[in-house]
Amino acid sequence: DTEVTQTPKHLVMGMTNKKSLKCEQHMGHRAMYWYKQKAKKPPELMFVYSYEKLSINESVPSRFSPECPNSSLLNLHLHALQPEDSALYLCASSRDRGGQETQYFGPGTRLLVL
Amino acid sequence: DQQVKQNSPSLSVQEGRISILNCDYTNSMFDYFLWYKKYPAEGPTFLISISSIKDKNEDGRFTVFLNKSAKHLSLHIVPSQPGDSAVYFCAARTGANNLFFGTGTRLTVIP
Repeated sequence: DTEVTQTPKHLVMGMTNKKSLKCEQHMGHRAMYWYKQKAKKPPELMFVYSYEKLSINESVPSRFSPECPNSSLLNLHLHALQPEDSALYLCASSRDRGGQETQYFGPGTRLLVL
Repeated sequence: DQQVKQNSPSLSVQEGRISILNCDYTNSMFDYFLWYKKYPAEGPTFLISISSIKDKNEDGRFTVFLNKSAKHLSLHIVPSQPGDSAVYFCAARTGANNLFFGTGTRLTVIP
């Protein structure tokens, strides 16, 4: 089983709203990732958690706040977003951050900021 | 700076023929390469990978070739099937560092 689940599938929010994206995996993976993908562009890494600790933050604005409550769950808290933040947000996981480890992706949450 | 490039944004192939998707990279430190397939409104699905110590890896209809001297890899799909129609991303990394994705190639397999 290589399933990563993400909820919700779609989200529309105003610029003053607070919302959260959720990601879950039960593969025992200890590395989890958030990516952002705009139309016709490749996924861009936002955050990496390794053993529930944030190990990479790719200069992401503070209106995006990640959280890893346990080894199976990864959240992305959203607050005061801008319309240009509209994108597909992808979660991925891998056994660990080792070089030969494959990242498995969830289906994504399509976010629209109005 | 785009370290992984897929110069063909689209490719059309007849069903049953071979599809060849190409990818070039600039960072000679990359040591692990992956291909992902993506349908609209879905996340990327892992297809096949190759370590830099190999030059070929095969899995069913999918074969990835790596030419380190040319910094080039390719994905061969044979025979191509209509269900293979999707966007294909190549990706590369060094050690435990970030995964860099190419811009994707949209493959259309014509029945």
